[in-house]
Amino acid sequence: EDQVTQSPEALRLQEGESSSLNCSYTVSGLRGLFWYRQDPGKGPEFLFTLYSAGEEKEKERLKATLTKKESFLHITAPKPEDSATYLCAVQAGHGGSQGNLIFGKGTKLSVKP
Amino acid sequence: DSGVTQTPKHLITATGQRVTLRCSPRSGDLSVYWYQQSLDQGLQFLIQYYNGEERAKGNILERFSAQQFPDLHSELNLSSLELGDSALYFCASSVFGGGETQYFGPGTRLLVL
Repeated sequence: EDQVTQSPEALRLQEGESSSLNCSYTVSGLRGLFWYRQDPGKGPEFLFTLYSAGEEKEKERLKATLTKKESFLHITAPKPEDSATYLCAVQAGHGGSQGNLIFGKGTKLSVKP
Repeated sequence: DSGVTQTPKHLITATGQRVTLRCSPRSGDLSVYWYQQSLDQGLQFLIQYYNGEERAKGNILERFSAQQFPDLHSELNLSSLELGDSALYFCASSVFGGGETQYFGPGTRLLVL
């Protein structure tokens, strides 16, 4: 069964204290791995898409990496406005137009000033 | 702003009732996805439509149904509502449906009393 597990469930950081969030996955044929940020009561906001092991993407203080079994979201020198829940999702399968995402339960990040 | 719109933002109704949630995808996107987010389950895929046709189905209850119209907007119908149906319902869209980034709308918060 396709599965996504995120750790830790919650993370508290001081402003400027860098850290990493983990997303491990089991999937039959990875078509893509996606990171989203979600603020309370809002829709998930797209951050990154990764397609193959070894791929890395960066955006401001965030950097996402992908291996064959897991992905990391590195946060460098976080600020209070980075506080949110970070969601990891995978898309499984081979070809075709089926595209449902399988989500992890998220990591709730709090950054204190 | 992702470009995906959803109405209404909030919906309060009683058990046994029926409601309709509406979604307009980003301009040019052919696929629409519906997800349910509850506190204990996280984001769960319900159903996908591609250019008017059903493409993939998740753990969608028989009381729930959806359709995508010729103008590509989609509606999710929830009937015989139960207390446990209270959740956030998100719509997402992508260009085709396989391996691409999905962009999420702001969601509809449903409260069943």
